[in-house]
Amino acid sequence: DQQVKQNSPSLSVQEGRISILNCDYTNSMFDYFLWYKKYPAEGPTFLISISSIKDKNEDGRFTVFLNKSAKHLSLHIVPSQPGDSAVYFCSLGGGGNKLTFGTGTQLKVEL
Amino acid sequence: EPEVTQTPSHQVTQMGQEVILRCVPISNHLYFYWYRQILGQKVEFLVSFYNNEISEKSEIFDDQFSVERPDGSNFTLKIRSTKLEDSAMYFCASTGTSNTGELFFGEGSRLTVL
Repeated sequence: DQQVKQNSPSLSVQEGRISILNCDYTNSMFDYFLWYKKYPAEGPTFLISISSIKDKNEDGRFTVFLNKSAKHLSLHIVPSQPGDSAVYFCSLGGGGNKLTFGTGTQLKVEL
Repeated sequence: EPEVTQTPSHQVTQMGQEVILRCVPISNHLYFYWYRQILGQKVEFLVSFYNNEISEKSEIFDDQFSVERPDGSNFTLKIRSTKLEDSAMYFCASTGTSNTGELFFGEGSRLTVL
């Protein structure tokens, strides 16, 4: 099952700089696109989402971009903070909250 | 802040035994879910539950699995005759909205089948 791919298993960024996490998908039937964050020993936590009719959604330091023609989703975090260090999952939904997750990207924000 | 709680946090069981994982969703939520994550793999959808019945289930959710909301507050996942490949972190989630993808996850129950 390769519907959702996060090709970078890890990313290291300096504090204050921009973090860019990427996600590619194959199925065009998804209605909404989300990013979840996960700390060790915790469940995933919803971060930000975007519907299929938009190409950008911003919430404070977090911005999600959707390029439907390229089937590409990205999350920008700026400025990055040490507390942002976590695993970030791209997640796609098509109805009924049945989500398809990517494999995750471990973000490490260094001082 | 309300949260989804799960018990046990870790359970070790012998292959072939039955396991029940328990979840207390957020009190005013109506939609409930189980997801699981095998070590090193993706978080996978198992089942969704609404109005006391299963709304949707994945191919993983075969006859070995069942869910129940026995008393209006708990939401349980039962795994009959556990197999080695059932070893995973099981996450319960709930939400008050049906179609946004914004789920509230519990901390997970780690199941180890020996």
